[in-house]
Amino acid sequence: GAVVSQHPSRVICKSGTSVKIECRSLDFQATTMFWYRQFPKQSLMLMATSNEGSKATYEQGVEKDKFLINHASLTLSTLTVTSAHPEDSSFYICSAVGQANTGELFFGEGSRLTVL
Amino acid sequence: GESVGLHLPTLSVQEGDNSIINCAYSNSASDYFIWYKQESGKGPQFIIDIRSNMDKRQGQRVTVLLNKTVKHLSLQIAATQPGDSAVYFCAENIVGTALIFGKGTTLSVSS
Repeated sequence: GAVVSQHPSRVICKSGTSVKIECRSLDFQATTMFWYRQFPKQSLMLMATSNEGSKATYEQGVEKDKFLINHASLTLSTLTVTSAHPEDSSFYICSAVGQANTGELFFGEGSRLTVL
Repeated sequence: GESVGLHLPTLSVQEGDNSIINCAYSNSASDYFIWYKQESGKGPQFIIDIRSNMDKRQGQRVTVLLNKTVKHLSLQIAATQPGDSAVYFCAENIVGTALIFGKGTTLSVSS
């Protein structure tokens, strides 16, 4: 099946620094990727939709200047958490639409961000 | 806004029992539904999906039922095993758009 890879799987950073998380589709091209955030014991919340070659679409309440999304190629989308604060500590998960666009989304294994 | 929800946050069963996890959705325009399993510290794992033109779909040990009349989705796991212990999410979308997730049900299987 299709594989989506996220890197890093875990990252710890100091408050005020920026962190980049990569999401790669390994065996298919993904024109659309989605970024989710999951706080402990809660569900996945959609943050933004990333489209290759265009600006990301952010969900209401998600700051686009804080969560920078770049989808420069058909196999890579990046999420940069800028000037991270402890409240940004969360599990960030990306997903990609398969080539057949049957509706199934393939998920990465997630990236655990801890901001000290 | 419209969202997907679950009826019970936790479900405890004995090994070998059948488990039923329920989900209510509110977006009548959704045409695709998926059940995911998530283990601690990992991303969601696809279990089974169903399209709105079906009311039942079976996989290996799992069955998904869709009742569009009452906007209800359920996941049945036969002969539940300790390895099935995880958080289960239902999710919905209109094909090609982002999935919207429900709140999750934690399944605990005791042996």
